[in-house]
Amino acid sequence: DQQVKQNSPSLSVQEGRISILNCDYTNSMFDYFLWYKKYPAEGPTFLISISSIKDKNEDGRFTVFLNKSAKHLSLHIVPSQPGDSAVYFCAASAAGSNYKLTFGKGTLLTVNP
Amino acid sequence: ETGVTQSPTHLIKTRGQQVTLRCSSQSGHNTVSWYQQALGQGPQFIFQYYREEENGRGNFPPRFSGLQFPNYSSELNVNALELDDSALYLCASSLSSVTQYFGPGTRLTVL
Repeated sequence: DQQVKQNSPSLSVQEGRISILNCDYTNSMFDYFLWYKKYPAEGPTFLISISSIKDKNEDGRFTVFLNKSAKHLSLHIVPSQPGDSAVYFCAASAAGSNYKLTFGKGTLLTVNP
Repeated sequence: ETGVTQSPTHLIKTRGQQVTLRCSSQSGHNTVSWYQQALGQGPQFIFQYYREEENGRGNFPPRFSGLQFPNYSSELNVNALELDDSALYLCASSLSSVTQYFGPGTRLTVL
């Protein structure tokens, strides 16, 4: 049972435009959400996170939006750069789970120059 | 500040063998988690160690076991290797928080 779903395996955008990566979850106990970026042959790199008490968190070019009623979150990258090309993973943690992370399958973002 | 390191980078074993993977946590981090990432999948939680004690376990059989040492480094041991154990094994460390920092991983191939 996939509790965290990233339904788009891949996304292609032009340099300078906005990239929007989506993530849906089914577990109502999730209360903290994170986005990781992964380049080939490297481990996932933490990007940005959001607590369930917020609906938006911004860090430079990266903004994460959380819609709890829809159990949906999204990562916006503006403007997109070729160096952003990587696999992006959405992850979630539930209260009382000792910070166990549940990941989606990832979305491959390609930013074309 | 030293990040999370893992060794070895790559490993090839045959079915039925045993393997030990190693992880050094980021400086000051007291919690280590291990994840298995199969091809085309997201990382899956194996278990977590906090101050040398197992502090949570995912849906993995007992032949997956681990240790954490006083310096917070950690080992993942897998006995009786199966073909499906072929994957990228990721170690992540944290300081009692949900934000985990990952190492580069160990690519295990079981033939």
